[in-house]
Amino acid sequence: GAGVSQSPSNKVTEKGKDVELRCDPISGHTALYWYRQSLGQGLEFLIYFQGNSAPDKSGLPSDRFSAERTGGSVSTLTIQRTQQEDSAVYLCASSKHNEQFFGPGTRLTVL
Amino acid sequence: AQSVTQLGSHVSVSEGALVLLRCNYSSSVPPYLFWYVQYPNQGLQLLLKYTSAATLVKGINGFEAEFKKSETSFHLTKPSAHMSDAAEYFCAVSASRMNRDDKIIFGKGTRLHILP
Repeated sequence: GAGVSQSPSNKVTEKGKDVELRCDPISGHTALYWYRQSLGQGLEFLIYFQGNSAPDKSGLPSDRFSAERTGGSVSTLTIQRTQQEDSAVYLCASSKHNEQFFGPGTRLTVL
Repeated sequence: AQSVTQLGSHVSVSEGALVLLRCNYSSSVPPYLFWYVQYPNQGLQLLLKYTSAATLVKGINGFEAEFKKSETSFHLTKPSAHMSDAAEYFCAVSASRMNRDDKIIFGKGTRLHILP
């Protein structure tokens, strides 16, 4: 069956530009998570959704970061006015019954 | 609030030796606990999880972990290391909730090196 998919797989952008990262979760999974993985930093929690609502946005690093989820399915993470420190791999996961399935990630490089 | 501390960012063991990766957690409510593995250039996959049933949890590839409430620990072990076990391992914690999945917080990871 289909797993979690993310697009694009790689994104190179210039400092100051906006980017949108997309996550398609596994069908039927109500919970969806965004993490950021930087070298040596492990997985940094950003935000998670139950259905379309986000009970916890505490991990978003700044107000340049936002996320939404529509129809209880696809989610988009938007980073405005990107900075070089935003460069990382952005991982999405969906879960059911407390087992998370991760997507392959989007590698973001900000020049 | 939940948090996880993994002791040792790098661990090296000889092939055939015991693998022990340490994880301590903090949680204000009864926790669920997880170990994930990330092989080089691959995504994360679940090794095992504790969700308040048996305290000794068996996972894939011969790994197991024991939940010890008194020590707030969930260490990962494997009796005999294989070269193929070389990877990064992440411990994670979430609050146990009825009927819904909660936020999952990860540790910084431990990179396991297997020496021939």
